[in-house]
Amino acid sequence: AQKVTQAQTEISVVEKEDVTLDCVYETRDTTYYLFWYKQPPSGELVFLIRRNSFDEQNEISGRYSWNFQKSTSSFNFTITASQVVDSAVYFCALSEAGFGNEKLTFGTGTRLTIIP
Amino acid sequence: NAGVTQTPKFRILKIGQSMTLQCTQDMNHNYMYWYRQDPGMGLKLIYYSVGAGITDKGEVPNGYNVSRSTTEDFPLRLELAAPSQTSVYFCASSYSIRGREQETQYFGPGTRLLVL
Repeated sequence: AQKVTQAQTEISVVEKEDVTLDCVYETRDTTYYLFWYKQPPSGELVFLIRRNSFDEQNEISGRYSWNFQKSTSSFNFTITASQVVDSAVYFCALSEAGFGNEKLTFGTGTRLTIIP
Repeated sequence: NAGVTQTPKFRILKIGQSMTLQCTQDMNHNYMYWYRQDPGMGLKLIYYSVGAGITDKGEVPNGYNVSRSTTEDFPLRLELAAPSQTSVYFCASSYSIRGREQETQYFGPGTRLLVL
């Protein structure tokens, strides 16, 4: 069975600080996908990134970066120079690869508060 | 292009009442999903559909029913509402083809349901 663990329930940092959100996953599959979604106070789910298990390259998108390490089954998310607009709940999710296996298993989320 | 739309945004039900949560997508996605999000928790899959006429159970299907008569619509039916069904319900859709890399799931804005 798949499992996603986000051990950090809540994090608060002062604006402009860097912050890393941890995500550890469990799966028996050799091919899978990892995702991060953002849920701002308004409640919608915003897609941030999708990563194939074969692609271990780290990715940077503006102030956001992701560190994928298969050896430790982790897919951590770092926000550099945090801003108040980054305040949200962030979810890490996992799905098996293969047609018909697109169901997502979510972690319980990390609530990030950026203090002005 | 509206993406995934859900109605209603908010509803209060009495125990034992029934209702249908509507979900429509205009992206010509073949896959559609229903998730529920309980307070402080991640999302859990209720039902999903891989195409018109085909549905399957997810992790928490009890108390719900679905149908998929068209590509665009995927309604979720609650027959006998119970307090345990108080939650936020998210509909999502994605496009998947056998042999191709899995695509991202895009979510609707959610329906907040309170059962009293």
